[in-house]
Amino acid sequence: QVQLQESGPGLVKPADTLSLTCVVSGGSMSSGSGWWSWVRQPPGKGLEWIGEIHHDGRTTYNPSLRSQVTFSLDKSKNQFSLKLNSVTAADTAVYYCARNGAFSVDYWGQGTLVTVSS
Amino acid sequence: ETVLTQSPGTLSLSPGERATLSCRASQSVSTRDLAWYQQKPGQAPRLLIYGASSRATGIPDRFSGSGSGTDFTLTISRLEPEDFAVYYCQQYGGSPLYTFGQGTKVEIK
Repeated sequence: QVQLQESGPGLVKPADTLSLTCVVSGGSMSSGSGWWSWVRQPPGKGLEWIGEIHHDGRTTYNPSLRSQVTFSLDKSKNQFSLKLNSVTAADTAVYYCARNGAFSVDYWGQGTLVTVSS
Repeated sequence: ETVLTQSPGTLSLSPGERATLSCRASQSVSTRDLAWYQQKPGQAPRLLIYGASSRATGIPDRFSGSGSGTDFTLTISRLEPEDFAVYYCQQYGGSPLYTFGQGTKVEIK
């Protein structure tokens, strides 16, 4: 059973960089489709896909966030990471890491709330 | 971008009743690329249906998905107390690669 766990600061100042890491357990990063996503959800709102990273390092970003976001991975640690720069209050959300399955997202982390505030 | 519009916004039903949730796409979506999720308060979404009609692992058979083209439906045949939640449809393909509907809340009447 694949499990994912997000970690990172819960509070980030405006204009700073938000950094999160997702550790994958119970399977390798080549499992499923081999693609791993970040999805966010502002409080009380719907889901927004941020982008995905393949276990070979290829990335696909949501065009609306492409200028702000960078993904990376460390296969030796079975983890992948998100950096979102120049954050504003609009980036306050629960951030989920997840595994992509068959054209859907089949395993999700529990999510971590990141608040952007001074 | 393919926009997914879910209706109704809120569905008020009693346990044991049938729930029918709609997801309409702004352009045709392959059945392969349509999924449904359930989300309970404070929890991550859970994959229910992929490929428009295939149940994910461990999903009870009271959940079923159907549809094609621009109109898709999630049906819960008999609502159990644990089914009251928010449901999202999702499509794959295009730009951005994944988009979600705005959600339908199924609440206890």
